[in-house]
Amino acid sequence: DAKTTQPNSMESNEEEPVHLPCNHSTISGTDYIHWYRQLPSQGPEYVIHGLTSNVNNRMASLAIAEDRKSSTLILHRATLRDAAVYYCILEQYSGGGADGLTFGKGTHLIIQP
Amino acid sequence: KAGVTQTPRYLIKTRGQQVTLSCSPISGHRSVSWYQQTPGQGLQFLFEYFSETQRNKGNFPGRFSGRQFSNSRSEMNVSTLELGDSALYLCASSRGTGDEKLFFGSGTQLSVL
Repeated sequence: DAKTTQPNSMESNEEEPVHLPCNHSTISGTDYIHWYRQLPSQGPEYVIHGLTSNVNNRMASLAIAEDRKSSTLILHRATLRDAAVYYCILEQYSGGGADGLTFGKGTHLIIQP
Repeated sequence: KAGVTQTPRYLIKTRGQQVTLSCSPISGHRSVSWYQQTPGQGLQFLFEYFSETQRNKGNFPGRFSGRQFSNSRSEMNVSTLELGDSALYLCASSRGTGDEKLFFGSGTQLSVL
């Protein structure tokens, strides 16, 4: 799987927007960009995913660069419950079978009240 | 809709023993994947089962094995436990048809003494 690079940690204030960057310069044309987050003592939780176009859902937005070599997860208004480790993952789908997600170290997001 | 259920939540074993962990996926999901999480290595993919067949496998020794039953429930077995097998074992379920999100359980925390 292609690799991703994320900052080790980021800090933000409650009720402010948060932009979490991810670099994936070796992404291939068929790699999907996934974001998951993991709260303490829980399994990872799906946040959002996309291929080429920007994506929005109730949790967040995903902005994908035109050359697809980077992406940004946007939390529009952070709350204390958004404090977690955020993982940016590339996944290639090969005819119906997921090859297993390759999790990096992720970004530890700290939210200050 | 019930989430992914993993049992037991905690387990303590000694070196040389074997252990079996259980995962019940979300109703209707046919794919179950297993991951190992340790502080040093992070989250690593073990294997994926779809319709009772192992479809993908990560880079783990043969001591790690699994199976899936006709109701999609899955078990993971680790034989001849080593101290380094101490980890959080997570399972995730999905429909298994590609381009989709994974739903993770809360994991089984295994301690090998």
